[in-house]
Amino acid sequence: GAVVSQHPSWVICKSGTSVKIECRSLDFQATTMFWYRQFPKQSLMLMATSNEGSKATYEQGVEKDKFLINHASLTLSTLTVTSAHPEDSSFYICSASRLAGAVGELFFGEGSRLTVL
Amino acid sequence: AQSVAQPEDQVNVAEGNPLTVKCTYSVSGNPYLFWYVQYPNRGLQFLLKYITGDNLVKGSYGFEAEFNKSQTSFHLKKPSALVSDSALYFCAVRANTGFQKLVFGTGTRLLVSP
Repeated sequence: GAVVSQHPSWVICKSGTSVKIECRSLDFQATTMFWYRQFPKQSLMLMATSNEGSKATYEQGVEKDKFLINHASLTLSTLTVTSAHPEDSSFYICSASRLAGAVGELFFGEGSRLTVL
Repeated sequence: AQSVAQPEDQVNVAEGNPLTVKCTYSVSGNPYLFWYVQYPNRGLQFLLKYITGDNLVKGSYGFEAEFNKSQTSFHLKKPSALVSDSALYFCAVRANTGFQKLVFGTGTRLLVSP
C-alpha cells in the first residue's frame, strides 16, 4: 500500500527557534500534499495544500510566514514552523494524494508532535 | 461549502455487540465520503470510501458504511465490535467536482469494553 513517512515523530524546541517537519511519500508520487494541525481531542484542521513545484495554498487564518511549506519534489514536502512559540505546540499531520491513484483517497503520515517550551 | 457532522463525541459498546458511528454531511452536488481511524499519537488510517455505485461499502477490519442520499448520512457500522476497535473515528467529505479539499468531522471516540 501507499506509505507516507513523517519525520520527526516528536520534537521539543525552545521558544523562538524554527522547526522543520518532513513528509515523504515512500512508494508513490504525490501530486498534492496537505498539512493538518490537530489540537487535543479535536478534529484535523487543514493548514495548507501544497502542489509540487508551486506555492502552497494556505487556509484562511493560517500565517504563511509562520508556517513555511515547500514541496520540492513529487515525494517530499516540508513544513517549517518559524520562530516557534508555545501556542504552536500541536500535532501536525501530513497527507498525500497519489498521482494516479484512487479518487480522493489520502494517505496520512504518522504525525509529528511539536512541543515548544 | 461542504461540512460534516459527527453528533456523538463518544460511543460505548460491549465487545461482540454491533456498533454504529454516525455521520451526516452537507455538500454541493454529489459527495465523496470517507471514514478514517486514528490511534493515539498516530496518523489517520483509511477505512473505506464511497465514490459511486452500491450504497453499502465494505472496508478494512470488518467495517462497513451505508450511503443514504435522502438522509445525507454515511454511518459506520460493524456487526461485532472488538476491544482493539477502540480508537478515534473521523468521517470526511468532499465534492466530486473539480478540486475540493477534504473536510473532516470532529471525530467520535469509540470505546469497546471487554
